[in-house]
Amino acid sequence: DAKTTQPNSMESNEEEPVHLPCNHSTISGTDYIHWYRQLPSQGPEYVIHGLTSNVNNRMASLAIAEDRKSSTLILHRATLRDAAVYYCILRDVETSGSRLTFGEGTQLTVNP
Amino acid sequence: GAGVSQSPSNKVTEKGKDVELRCDPISGHTALYWYRQSLGQGLEFLIYFQGNSAPDKSGLPSDRFSAERTGGSVSTLTIQRTQQEDSAVYLCASSMYSQGSGETQYFGPGTRLLVL
Repeated sequence: DAKTTQPNSMESNEEEPVHLPCNHSTISGTDYIHWYRQLPSQGPEYVIHGLTSNVNNRMASLAIAEDRKSSTLILHRATLRDAAVYYCILRDVETSGSRLTFGEGTQLTVNP
Repeated sequence: GAGVSQSPSNKVTEKGKDVELRCDPISGHTALYWYRQSLGQGLEFLIYFQGNSAPDKSGLPSDRFSAERTGGSVSTLTIQRTQQEDSAVYLCASSMYSQGSGETQYFGPGTRLLVL
């Protein structure tokens, strides 16, 4: 699987936007970009995914660079409940099957 | 509806004993995964079941680990002769299988295993 690189940690203030970056310079044309997050003492949960175009859902937005070598997860208004580890994962189900390969992720701290 | 459930939520065992961890996936989900999360190792894939296909066991760390899925639903992960390095949170996930972009996996709360 192609590798992703994320900052170890980030901080934000409550009700402010948060931009979580992910670099994936070796991404292949068939890799989808997935984001999961893990709240304290819980299993991971799906956030969003995309291929080339920017994506929006009720939780977040995903901005994908034109060359696809990087992407940014955007939380529009951070809440205390958004404090979690955020994982950026590349998935090519054709070659690697359905498993998720987690990196170390970014620990997001939200300050009140 | 109910999510993925796992039992027990916590398990303390002595080195050398066998343990069984249970996962109840979301009803109707054909795919089931086991992962584990330990300090210093992050989240790692263990095994994957999809319908009636042979499971992908490529992530199992040793032959002390095995898993089965009965009736295409409930799954049990068994660790024989437990070692201290087996201490971790064991996570189960399920999904509706689909090709293409990769289906969403829904995780349970995990079983925290401590081997003394």
